[in-house]
Amino acid sequence: GDSVTQMEGPVTLSEEAFLTINCTYTATGYPSLFWYVQYPGEGLQLLLKATKADDKGSNKGFEATYRKETTSFHLEKGSVQVSDSAVYFCAPIGGATNKLIFGTGTLLAVQP
Amino acid sequence: DTEVTQTPKHLVMGMTNKKSLKCEQHMGHRAMYWYKQKAKKPPELMFVYSYEKLSINESVPSRFSPECPNSSLLNLHLHALQPEDSALYLCASSQDRDRANYGYTFGSGTRLTVV
Repeated sequence: GDSVTQMEGPVTLSEEAFLTINCTYTATGYPSLFWYVQYPGEGLQLLLKATKADDKGSNKGFEATYRKETTSFHLEKGSVQVSDSAVYFCAPIGGATNKLIFGTGTLLAVQP
Repeated sequence: DTEVTQTPKHLVMGMTNKKSLKCEQHMGHRAMYWYKQKAKKPPELMFVYSYEKLSINESVPSRFSPECPNSSLLNLHLHALQPEDSALYLCASSQDRDRANYGYTFGSGTRLTVV
């Protein structure tokens, strides 16, 4: 069935460090891919998305590129801030079930 | 309006109580979803409504009863819950199930505690 594997956390970085959170997926067909962010005590917010191969989603300095050949959608940011501290979820949709499937989530803690 | 609004934000209920969670959106979305999220875990899908009809029930116990009175509203009726049902309950919507590749919009959730 459809599944997603996400980098284990927590990831602890200093402010202005480079961030990568890895995500790979298994799905039937060509799913759309999403990154959601959940700040402490809040619901989920859509961070960025890509709907076809080689698309690059970007928002708030975060980027991720849809890599069909490696079935990956890694999240990157060049310079993280304390305010980026949150849990990040990789989530493909589509395939056989057309449902949003969440990875386990990666907790990012950015220290001043 | 680009929001999904959930009420209440917090709810404490006893195991013999009956309560309801409410979710509302005015984006014209025709698919709506209930998710359950335990601490430090990803959200788990409970129910999917498509055009006001129940489309998916992920084998959820009958003490959870969803209802979609119209295209903008989604309720989750709770009865005889157990302490292990304590969690964050998230509502989401999308344009429709077939065009869900635009993404889901989530509400901020109801934090439920069963005592």
